[in-house]
Amino acid sequence: AQKVTQAQTEISVVEKEDVTLDCVYETRDTTYYLFWYKQPPSGELVFLIRRNSFDEQNEISGRYSWNFQKSTSSFNFTITASQVVDSAVYFCALVTGANSKLTFGKGITLSVRP
Amino acid sequence: DAEITQSPRHKITETGRQVTLACHQTWNHNNMFWYRQDLGHGLRLIHYSYGVQDTNKGEVSDGYSVSRSNTEDLPLTLESAASSQTSVYFCASSDSTGTGGTEAFFGQGTRLTVV
Repeated sequence: AQKVTQAQTEISVVEKEDVTLDCVYETRDTTYYLFWYKQPPSGELVFLIRRNSFDEQNEISGRYSWNFQKSTSSFNFTITASQVVDSAVYFCALVTGANSKLTFGKGITLSVRP
Repeated sequence: DAEITQSPRHKITETGRQVTLACHQTWNHNNMFWYRQDLGHGLRLIHYSYGVQDTNKGEVSDGYSVSRSNTEDLPLTLESAASSQTSVYFCASSDSTGTGGTEAFFGQGTRLTVV
């Protein structure tokens, strides 16, 4: 069975601070995919990134970066120089093998104060 | 543009009534999913389908059913609504080609209140 743990439930930072959202996953499959989704206050779910288990290269997209470490089963998400518009709930999710079902963590509520 | 839409966006119903939430996608995706979102639980899978006439139970399927008669639609039915089913419901779809793990596209969500 697979599991995603987002131990942080709520994080509050002041604008321009850097913030890291943690994600730890569990699976016995060697082929799997990790995702991050953002849910802004408007409620929709916005896809941010997908990473497969064979690609441990870190990724940077503007102020966002992701650190994938198989040795610690973690896929952490860092926002550099946070902005108020980053305030949202962030979900980490896992898909294993050829199965397309997403297993979600419980989400982290990020509040960025001006 | 392709999209996935849910209706209604908000619904209030009474305990014991049958309720159907609609989900329609124009991505031509074979995979479709229903999740519910509750505080402290994240999103949990209710039912899913990998193609026409295929349906499967997810983690929290009791009291829910789905049917898949075409590629575009996966309606979710609450057979006899209970207060514990008050939640926000999300439909999603994803492509089934390739080796799996493709990005899922989500609908806007349906907020259901059972009174």
